[in-house]
Amino acid sequence: GAGVSQSPSNKVTEKGKDVELRCDPISGHTALYWYRQSLGQGLEFLIYFQGNSAPDKSGLPSDRFSAERTGGSVSTLTIQRTQQEDSAVYLCASTAWVGVTGELFFGEGSRLTVL
Amino acid sequence: AQTVTQSQPEMSVQEAETVTLSCTYDTSESDYYLFWYKQPPSRQMILVIRQEAYKQQNATENRFSVNFQKAAKSFSLKISDSQLGDAAMYFCAYRSGNSGGSNYKLTFGKGTLLTVNP
Repeated sequence: GAGVSQSPSNKVTEKGKDVELRCDPISGHTALYWYRQSLGQGLEFLIYFQGNSAPDKSGLPSDRFSAERTGGSVSTLTIQRTQQEDSAVYLCASTAWVGVTGELFFGEGSRLTVL
Repeated sequence: AQTVTQSQPEMSVQEAETVTLSCTYDTSESDYYLFWYKQPPSRQMILVIRQEAYKQQNATENRFSVNFQKAAKSFSLKISDSQLGDAAMYFCAYRSGNSGGSNYKLTFGKGTLLTVNP
C-alpha cells in the first residue's frame, strides 16, 4: 500500500481480554516501530524491529505486551489480560533506512479502549 | 537518557500571523537529529521539518522554520502566515546520531496543541 496501514482503527474490549493490533508497513521498509500515545502524554516507545535482527523490546511496559513481525513485513502487537491503563492510541511507524534520515512514516493508529 | 520538553501544552494564533512553538531537550551526545511532527485530528503523524545537529544553518520548509540553538539545547518551530490547516498537535522529537540498539528510537515531547483562529 501507499502508506502504513493499521487495524483495527478502534477497539473496545473488556478488562481481562486479549487484543491484537496489526500494522502493515510501507512496502520495502525494513524498520518498524510501535509507540503508545496516552491522553495528555507524548509518544511512548514500545518496540522496534529492524530486518532480521533481534527486536529492541526495551519499551514494553510489562510482560503482558508482546509483538512479532512475520516475514519482515506485517507486525502484530498483542496485549494479554488488558487493563484499563492500557487504553491508548497505539501507533505504528516504518522507515526504509534508519541510519540516514530517521524519518518515520506513521499509520493512523489503533485506539484501544478497555472498559 | 534523552528527554524532550515542550513547555506549552496549548497555543493559539490568528490566521496569517506567526507563531513559535518551544522545545528543549537534554542529551550528552553531540551527534543527533531533531524533528517536528504534526498530528492532525486524523491521528496520522506527519513530518514537518528535520534538523541535523552538525548543521549550523537552521532548517526551513516553506512556511516552517526552526531556531536551533545547540548550546542551549533549544529547538523551536516557527510557523509563518498561519493557515487553518496548521491546526494540530505538534510534537518535537529527538533521535541519536549513534548507531545500534535503542539509539534508533525517537524520543518525543508531550506535544503542543495549536489552534488557528480565523
